[in-house]
Amino acid sequence: DAKTTQPPSMDCAEGRAANLPCNHSTISGNEYVYWYRQIHSQGPQYIIHGLKNNETNEMASLIITEDRKSSTLILPHATLRDTAVYYCIVRSLTGTASKLTFGTGTRLQVTL
Amino acid sequence: DGGITQSPKYLFRKEGQNVTLSCEQNLNHDAMYWYRQDPGQGLRLIYYSQIVNDFQKGDIAEGYSVSREKKESFPLTVTSAQKNPTAFYLCASSTSGKATNEKLFFGSGTQLSVL
Repeated sequence: DAKTTQPPSMDCAEGRAANLPCNHSTISGNEYVYWYRQIHSQGPQYIIHGLKNNETNEMASLIITEDRKSSTLILPHATLRDTAVYYCIVRSLTGTASKLTFGTGTRLQVTL
Repeated sequence: DGGITQSPKYLFRKEGQNVTLSCEQNLNHDAMYWYRQDPGQGLRLIYYSQIVNDFQKGDIAEGYSVSREKKESFPLTVTSAQKNPTAFYLCASSTSGKATNEKLFFGSGTQLSVL
């Protein structure tokens, strides 16, 4: 399974862009990068995923480097409700089973 | 509402007791998963199932058992063999579990504590 490395914590002022980095240097060609976030004592919420092109949806943008060894999740205008733990995950294929392996994530604190 | 329902929200287990956590989905997904989360940690995979009447061990299956008799349901039993059961348990599902571009949908979790 491809492992990911994220900073344990980050701060961001409300209204500013939050840029969350992730390294996944052992990613394979057919493995997607996923981002989820988790607010305390709730199930993780899907944010976005991508293979090699940059992606954008109503929640965030995902920038993947050309060599695919790292990515950045961008929350364009962070609000207090974006305070959560953000997980960067590579979805791997083992045999016929596709699994998500979670690391410890980045705790994003949005402040006034 | 479509989604994944976990029950109960909180569960207490006595020493030596087996307890079963419920997970039901109405998303018509073939694949279902159970994860365990300890405080301040990421999620670890316990068991997963890609089809009815079949399931595979994840990374930390010891002390747990599952069944998949119906497509909609994937209950997890925490047996007395699990010596540290206190954790937050999350159920998830995805379309087939066989592709790397499938989203995983999560339930709201069950907090299990030992009395």
